[in-house]
Amino acid sequence: GAGVSQSPRYKVAKRGQDVALRCDPISGHVSLFWYQQALGQGPEFLTYFQNEAQLDKSGLPSDRFFAERPEGSVSTLKIQRTQQEDSAVYLCASSAEGQLYNSPLHFGNGTRLTVT
Amino acid sequence: KNEVEQSPQNLTAQEGEFITINCSYSVGISALHWLQQHPGGGIVSLFMLSSGKKKHGRLIATINIQEKHSSLHITASHPRDSAVYICAVRRGQGNLIFGKGTKLSVKP
Repeated sequence: GAGVSQSPRYKVAKRGQDVALRCDPISGHVSLFWYQQALGQGPEFLTYFQNEAQLDKSGLPSDRFFAERPEGSVSTLKIQRTQQEDSAVYLCASSAEGQLYNSPLHFGNGTRLTVT
Repeated sequence: KNEVEQSPQNLTAQEGEFITINCSYSVGISALHWLQQHPGGGIVSLFMLSSGKKKHGRLIATINIQEKHSSLHITASHPRDSAVYICAVRRGQGNLIFGKGTKLSVKP
């Protein structure tokens, strides 16, 4: 399909393991956002890319979290030395971006990470 | 104070009722988004507004830029409308700021 694709859909990691979560945005979309959603909570901002540039990473909770989008398309969110509090759904969204940054958003189905 | 406030937090309605969910924000924005999330499901974009009013089926969204307020209305509500409705604002090229969501339950 032509939507935002995230993989894996589910990931179970043992505490201390490193994980990598992938987001394939809609082709040609300029902006890409990562969000973390804990159970029963609203999404919390993690980081934002415009093409390959990471314009805002103020939401990354610790230096164990790292995101990249090297060619301005696919993005990977990496979490090192996972902790139980990292258990959440990680959502990716992309946007084509108009001149006024008011384009619709398209969300992926998320990756549910469980750290045991 | 959160930059995006939604009310109510929880809403229970009977099938057929007219529903209103409110969103107030305290920052200048380039766009406001209404999103829908079903339990265990992904997020679906319902509307993106920068002014005025939009309608899609039984859903209507309005925004008053001067008052920094938006409303989402659902006419003739149905149990399948039960979901969390989230208001989010965008500031220029910055990231989205989310409200905490309104959990709607429509009883048959």
